[in-house]
Amino acid sequence: DADVTQTPRNRITKTGKRIMLECSQTKGHDRMYWYRQDPGLGLQLIYYSFDVKDINKGEISDGYSVSRQAQAKFSLSLESAIPNQTALYFCATRRDNTDTQYFGPGTRLTVL
Amino acid sequence: AQKVTQAQTEISVVEKEDVTLDCVYETRDTTYYLFWYKQPPSGELVFLIRRNSFDEQNEISGRYSWNFQKSTSSFNFTITASQVVDSAVYFCALSTNFGNEKLTFGTGTRLTIIP
Repeated sequence: DADVTQTPRNRITKTGKRIMLECSQTKGHDRMYWYRQDPGLGLQLIYYSFDVKDINKGEISDGYSVSRQAQAKFSLSLESAIPNQTALYFCATRRDNTDTQYFGPGTRLTVL
Repeated sequence: AQKVTQAQTEISVVEKEDVTLDCVYETRDTTYYLFWYKQPPSGELVFLIRRNSFDEQNEISGRYSWNFQKSTSSFNFTITASQVVDSAVYFCALSTNFGNEKLTFGTGTRLTIIP
């Protein structure tokens, strides 16, 4: 089984809808991250969390919110989706700030 | 500020040729980490290698090799005897050790291996 899983893998939604992307990990890592990838670009950090009680904004947090339900679970929400949030979203985890970030398989989100 | 530059947007080579992907980085920190990730057509991000700033020893793993040179701030990736399965987008990335949680990615190099 994969160490980092994301659900759903693909989602098409309409402008204005609320949507939640979920991430689970079995690596036992405290740190979890949400990134988005746009075509032809690298990844941009949306939010990150050191533990259940410690959540921080990344470089592009506007329009997004997160919830760290448990050490193993980190969800990303779009309260009112808009078309320019169409992207590939990745969850990642790592043990500490010297460790490698390990990525989930990605969620391809399309907002019409 | 941190920056990673992958100047090669797309590369195409014929199968069995060798190919080098370039990565140039910028950081003011003396302790940092460099990474390469592979993104195949299926979309996932696959970790390939991690290098810390104190270890300039080059590394070889099968057909893959990495050349880290602090003097030129480069961390280049070479695939020897390329195969069709190597076709993917390859990302170089950088992170530093001082309270910076962000993994800074380059814009990626799309590698196409022609059979």
